[in-house]
Amino acid sequence: GAGVSQSPSNKVTEKGKDVELRCDPISGHTALYWYRQSLGQGLEFLIYFQGNSAPDKSGLPSDRFSAERTGGSVSTLTIQRTQQEDSAVYLCASSAEGGGGAQYFGPGTRLLVL
Amino acid sequence: AQSVAQPEDQVNVAEGNPLTVKCTYSVSGNPYLFWYVQYPNRGLQFLLKYITGDNLVKGSYGFEAEFNKSQTSFHLKKPSALVSDSALYFCAVRVGTGGFKTIFGAGTRLFVKA
Repeated sequence: GAGVSQSPSNKVTEKGKDVELRCDPISGHTALYWYRQSLGQGLEFLIYFQGNSAPDKSGLPSDRFSAERTGGSVSTLTIQRTQQEDSAVYLCASSAEGGGGAQYFGPGTRLLVL
Repeated sequence: AQSVAQPEDQVNVAEGNPLTVKCTYSVSGNPYLFWYVQYPNRGLQFLLKYITGDNLVKGSYGFEAEFNKSQTSFHLKKPSALVSDSALYFCAVRVGTGGFKTIFGAGTRLFVKA
């Protein structure tokens, strides 16, 4: 079946511009996560959505970052006024079981801020 | 503070030899522990998890991991390494009792030499 998809796969933008990254989770998965992976580094938790509950935004690095999940499915991560340090791979994952379930990752969006 | 540590940046092992990738954690309550693998130019894949029950859990590709509560460890093991096991391995733990935020270790790069 279809896995987690993300778009775009690559994004090059200029410092100060806004970007939107999209995630389509596996159908029926109630949990959705966003992470950031810098070159050669581990995964940094950004935000988590579970069903209709309020999202856990504790990992968002600044107020320039925000995320939405519409209709319990597609999610968009928005970075406003991008900075060079925002350059990273942004990974989305979904899970059927919330905290106890395996997360299924998308291929990521590679963001480069010039 | 709740955390997960992978003390080795890199592990080298000869093909056919047993391998161990170490992980220790610090969380409140009962931990939900996971291992993921990232092959070159591929997305993160779930390997195995421990929620409760038998301390030795078996996962994909012949990997297993042992939960040790007293040592707060969850080391990944395989009896006989393959060259194709060469990849980046991440240990992860769910934190918090009311939510499902997951934190990842920094990753351990495994090199299996023929």
